Amino acid sequence: KQEVTQIPAALSVPEGENLVLNCSFTDSAIYNLQWFRQDPGKGLTSLLLIQSSQREQTSGRLNASLDKSSGRSTLYIAASQPGDSATYLCAVRLFTGNQFYFGTGTSLTVIP
Amino acid sequence: DAGITQSPRYKITETGRQVTLMCHQTWSHSYMFWYRQDLGHGLRLIYYSAAADITDKGEVPDGYVVSRSKTENFPLTLESATRSQTSVYFCASRLAGATEQFFGPGTRLTVL
Repeated sequence: KQEVTQIPAALSVPEGENLVLNCSFTDSAIYNLQWFRQDPGKGLTSLLLIQSSQREQTSGRLNASLDKSSGRSTLYIAASQPGDSATYLCAVRLFTGNQFYFGTGTSLTVIP
Repeated sequence: DAGITQSPRYKITETGRQVTLMCHQTWSHSYMFWYRQDLGHGLRLIYYSAAADITDKGEVPDGYVVSRSKTENFPLTLESATRSQTSVYFCASRLAGATEQFFGPGTRLTVL
């Protein structure tokens, strides 16, 4: 069974700081990895999706990398803003099956 | 474009009662999913459906029933609710052959 871990569970940074969120997974035979943002009481918003053949994806101030061999992905947020405050979830899909395996998330607070 | 909607958004029920959570999507996505989100566990897959009249179990299916008579709807029924089923339930969908999943806003269910 795929285990997905996100460290740290919570992070608080001052506005403007660059930061990295970590995601690790146990089974490297992944089909893709997706990063989501979840605001309190809301659903999940897709941020970036990395296919197994890709090393990274970028969208605006966000950059996600994937290293299958080490079972790791990172989400880099540049020049953080208070509006970035949310919980960030990573999810992994294997080649076998349709299920996404989710980490428990990192709760980010950006202090003005 | 309504996307994917869930109803009700909030529900309080009592142990032993039957409860049905509704999910509706307007994209004609063939795949639909039900997840539950609990503290310390992240999101876990309950059931999914690849097309109308095709459903399959996920990681935590016990105590739940699903059906899919129409492509756009995927109701989740708790036949006899238990307190351990208190959770936030998310519905998701994606196109066949696509990689990205789209999530609904969630239903917060409390079983007393």
